[in-house]
Amino acid sequence: DTGVSQDPRHKITKRGQNVTFRCDPISEHNRLYWYRQTLGQGPEFLTYFQNEAQLEKSRLLSDRFSAERPKGSFSTLEIQRTEQGDSAMYLCASSSGAGVTETQYFGPGTRLLVL
Amino acid sequence: AQRVTQPEKLLSVFKGAPVELKCNYSYSGSPELFWYVQYSRQRLQLLLRHISRESIKGFTADLNKGETSFHLKKPFAQEEDSAMYYCALIHYGGSQGNLIFGKGTKLSVKP
Repeated sequence: DTGVSQDPRHKITKRGQNVTFRCDPISEHNRLYWYRQTLGQGPEFLTYFQNEAQLEKSRLLSDRFSAERPKGSFSTLEIQRTEQGDSAMYLCASSSGAGVTETQYFGPGTRLLVL
Repeated sequence: AQRVTQPEKLLSVFKGAPVELKCNYSYSGSPELFWYVQYSRQRLQLLLRHISRESIKGFTADLNKGETSFHLKKPFAQEEDSAMYYCALIHYGGSQGNLIFGKGTKLSVKP
C-alpha cells in the first residue's frame, strides 16, 4: 500500500497521560498536514510541514501539542497531559505540487479516546 | 472569516432519484473548492475540485460566485453513492493552503 499510513489506528489513554501518533506520508510528498476531527464535525487544520519545516500552526494547536517531521519523511504528533476534550480522530494528509495542482491524500486516521 | 457551510446533516433519497448536496462558502478572495467523500470504513478521498470542471462518478459541481455556492449534484443516485460528503475550500495563509471543511452531509441512497 503506497498511501498515507498512520499508527496506531486506535488509542485509549487516561487523562493526564502523553500520547504520540505517527504518520508516514506518500513517498516523495513534501507537504504534510495534520487535522483533527471531532464527532459531527469536518476535519480541522492543526499544522503543516513542508519537508522538515513546520510552517504553520492553527490556534487549535495548544502548547500541549507538538509535531515534528525530523527528516522530512514521517511525522509525529504528541499530545502531553491529555484532556478529555482531546478525544477525536487525528488525520494526516500529504501532498505534492502547489496551488491548483495540489491534492491532499488522507491517511486512515488515529482515533484517540481520553478517559 | 473563511467558512464552509453544509446545511444538511443527512440527505436520504431513493435509488435513481436526483441528488443535490448543498455547500455555501464564505471567503475573501478567489476560492478553490473541493468535494471530499468518505465511504464506510474508508479514508477521506477527493471526489472533485471546481478548477478541473470534471465529472466524477456522475457527480458534478458548479461554482456560483454570486450565490457563494458549490453544490454537488448527480442526476441519478446509486446505492454505492451512500457516504459522507464534505465540501472544502483551500485557505492560503502564508506559503501553503490548508483545507477548511464543512461539517459534512451523510447521503443515504435507499433501494
